[in-house]
Amino acid sequence: QKEVEQNSGPLSVPEGAIASLNCTYSDRGSQSFFWYRQYSGKSPELIMSIYSNGDKEDGRFTAQLNKASQYVSLLIRDSQPSDSATYLCAVPYYGNNRLAFGKGNQVVVIP
Amino acid sequence: DTGVSQDPRHKITKRGQNVTFRCDPISEHNRLYWYRQTLGQGPEFLTYFQNEAQLEKSRLLSDRFSAERPKGSFSTLEIQRTEQGDSAMYLCSPSEAFFGQGTRLTVV
Repeated sequence: QKEVEQNSGPLSVPEGAIASLNCTYSDRGSQSFFWYRQYSGKSPELIMSIYSNGDKEDGRFTAQLNKASQYVSLLIRDSQPSDSATYLCAVPYYGNNRLAFGKGNQVVVIP
Repeated sequence: DTGVSQDPRHKITKRGQNVTFRCDPISEHNRLYWYRQTLGQGPEFLTYFQNEAQLEKSRLLSDRFSAERPKGSFSTLEIQRTEQGDSAMYLCSPSEAFFGQGTRLTVV
């Protein structure tokens, strides 16, 4: 079992709609969770971090964490063409804090 | 400004050649991580420094790879006898908050 899994294929959403991305993780002891946005050819950019069960909102982004079910999700409301990118879920290892990443989900927002 | 500068941004090399990448955190950071990202995959951990000490290396880091962080500031990653499978984006990061721009390596 991979440490962090993002299994959905490319996601196409119309402009203004909600994009929903999911991520599961294997280590029940994980305490923090990160979502990154990565444009083609660029490095990852941290857009959300979440540490507690429940929802965390930041602008048009909402992260949702459910530790019992070991999943974390990202919602992008009012999707814009500039949101077209790959979104990476990451979980740090206890101790050295190195990140384990999912393979990412590509989001395409259609004008 | 990500707070981390990587050089070069792009490198094309012939198979069998050696290459060296550099990472300069702009401000003081105790920790520094190197990751490798291939097309369609998330970044994978390579190695980690706490100040000048290299504390952990991934199994991905074969004997052809070596990393240093002299004086606990900038870091270098060297790949000897490059192979086509080394083609990837190499990223350094002082924390989960940000990454350098990356070095795109193409081995031909």
